Amino acid sequence: DSGVTQTPKHLITATGQRVTLRCSPRSGDLSVYWYQQSLDQGLQFLIQYYNGEERAKGNILERFSAQQFPDLHSELNLSSLELGDSALYFCASSVQGGYGYTFGSGTRLTVV
Amino acid sequence: AQSVTQLGSHVSVSEGALVLLRCNYSSSVPPYLFWYVQYPNQGLQLLLKYTSAATLVKGINGFEAEFKKSETSFHLTKPSAHMSDAAEYFCAVSEQTNAGKSTFGDGTTLTVKP
Repeated sequence: DSGVTQTPKHLITATGQRVTLRCSPRSGDLSVYWYQQSLDQGLQFLIQYYNGEERAKGNILERFSAQQFPDLHSELNLSSLELGDSALYFCASSVQGGYGYTFGSGTRLTVV
Repeated sequence: AQSVTQLGSHVSVSEGALVLLRCNYSSSVPPYLFWYVQYPNQGLQLLLKYTSAATLVKGINGFEAEFKKSETSFHLTKPSAHMSDAAEYFCAVSEQTNAGKSTFGDGTTLTVKP
């Protein structure tokens, strides 16, 4: 157990639907990062939050949004889902950048 | 902007042989550098990190990496491969700021032959 908890582990949904992925960071970590991992794109940075505030944004689609709550857990919302959104979505947390990330075990999203 | 290039998407070695996984980075500011390992159906696990202290960094499971600024490289090595080392390995770079967003390479799959 890495200390980063992601739920659900697996999600199967239809095109056009909306889903919410949840992440609880390791105790004491203020930063949460979301990454998408797919075979053709590799690990793509989506978005980072630090202590409730958006800190950095990457290749995140407008159909996707995220937030970090006062208890530091984070949610990634994916809407109007397309087949191409099928991927592994990882959450990672850190105290700060130089310490490296602790990753969760990921949510495997399958859009059918 | 920062980027990472991992040379060789697949590396195969015999058990007991030297493991060498190559990583070159590009960064406009002094970088932090990391290696992560990913086993099937698991998240990534931090192997080791360079944060501008010693240039030779030792990590878990007998792995080490050397930061070479002149070559912009951060290659991962292990003197003797074990079957349990078979996994995918990712090199990552981030800027030395509190934002800490990391950019990952495409990964190298290590196969260990008996």
